[in-house]
Amino acid sequence: QVTLKESGPGILQPSQTLSLTCSFSGFLLSASSVGVGWIRQPSGKGLEWLATIGWEDVKHYNPSLKSRLTISKDTSNNQVFLKITSVDTADTGTYYCAHSYNNWYFDFWGPGTMVTVSS
Amino acid sequence: DTVLTQSPALAVSPGERVTISCRASESVSTLMHWYQQKPGQQPKLLIYLASHLESGVPARFSGSGSGTDFTLTIDPVEADDTATYYCQQSWNDPDTFGAGTKLELK
Repeated sequence: QVTLKESGPGILQPSQTLSLTCSFSGFLLSASSVGVGWIRQPSGKGLEWLATIGWEDVKHYNPSLKSRLTISKDTSNNQVFLKITSVDTADTGTYYCAHSYNNWYFDFWGPGTMVTVSS
Repeated sequence: DTVLTQSPALAVSPGERVTISCRASESVSTLMHWYQQKPGQQPKLLIYLASHLESGVPARFSGSGSGTDFTLTIDPVEADDTATYYCQQSWNDPDTFGAGTKLELK
């Protein structure tokens, strides 16, 4: 059974760095065609793909945010991390991590973690 | 970026057939996928690669299309299908999602 769960700080101030963790089970990030992605959703709005890390440690970033994003993984502990630097209020929303098949689609999602950027 | 255009909202009666469209600003081949999101929940994959039904998803859901025009069909619609439906393309970089179609039942 594939499960994912996100964790984060909840609230942070503008200009700080947002650090998110995705803890997963039921699959190996070292397996062929497997990846984990991050997608966010401002409250009441649509979905925005941020980044994906693949089984070969290949990293894909959304170019609109690439300069602020860093995705990494700890395969032995089944975790994926995302850092977003210099946050502002526009980064407020729910952040999801999801299992990616072949970097095509997201077939298992975590419940999301809410992040609020406020001074 | 590839822009995916969806109708903002639809209202249908239970038992009817509904089609939700997604038009891409450029070809995405068949790398189009559909998700259902209910309030307060994470998105759920329904259809992948344009027409493949995800395991465990009722056969009432189907997908079609290629290139720039895609359709998600629900037939018949049930009360539990009240949700927002998103399309996502992964042919062009970066992956993009449509703005979502909110399906309401009369």
